[in-house]
Amino acid sequence: EAGVAQSPRYKIIEKRQSVAFWCNPISGHATLYWYQQILGQGPKLLIQFQNNGVVDDSQLPKDRFSAERLKGVDSTLKIQPAKLEDSAVYLCASSRRQGWTEAFFGQGTRLTVV
Amino acid sequence: DQQVKQNSPSLSVQEGRISILNCDYTNSMFDYFLWYKKYPAEGPTFLISISSIKDKNEDGRFTVFLNKSAKHLSLHIVPSQPGDSAVYFCAASETGANNLFFGTGTRLTVIP
Repeated sequence: EAGVAQSPRYKIIEKRQSVAFWCNPISGHATLYWYQQILGQGPKLLIQFQNNGVVDDSQLPKDRFSAERLKGVDSTLKIQPAKLEDSAVYLCASSRRQGWTEAFFGQGTRLTVV
Repeated sequence: DQQVKQNSPSLSVQEGRISILNCDYTNSMFDYFLWYKKYPAEGPTFLISISSIKDKNEDGRFTVFLNKSAKHLSLHIVPSQPGDSAVYFCAASETGANNLFFGTGTRLTVIP
């Protein structure tokens, strides 16, 4: 079974630029999560999708962050414009159903904003 | 506000000995707890979980203990192996809730 795929693995941008991350969850997993992990901290939930609908985006800074999951499969997370404090690893995870079962995480995208 | 806390940022243990990683939580509504293991440049990998209806769950060399009254859980690894060297995250959730709250992680180093 293929795991959660994310791209790119690394990205360096200047502040005020925009960036997008892509995630392909495990086949058949209806629930998809985006997490932000700042260095030295635990992952923090940004947004959760159930199929192509948003379940929870209360922690998403909506003035600069946006996410979509068209057709209930792949997802993209966008930051525009980026700030220095957005430097972090962005993790995508998926699980078979809503509510907590064991989520499977991708390798993450390490974003550096300079 | 950090609802899940791992107060030891790092732990070093000799190969073959027991590793004990600790985790405390503040939200009494949490009823499902998980441990994740993370190697460098990889995403966290699920290791073991426990529901609040239990006080112990064992899977091979890994055992998680839950003390609900103290709002404390621990992960025991016996015997520890060099391949166990990684960052371990404790996480907690409330049944039916959307979020999983993570601790800040403990870096375990198993010395050969």
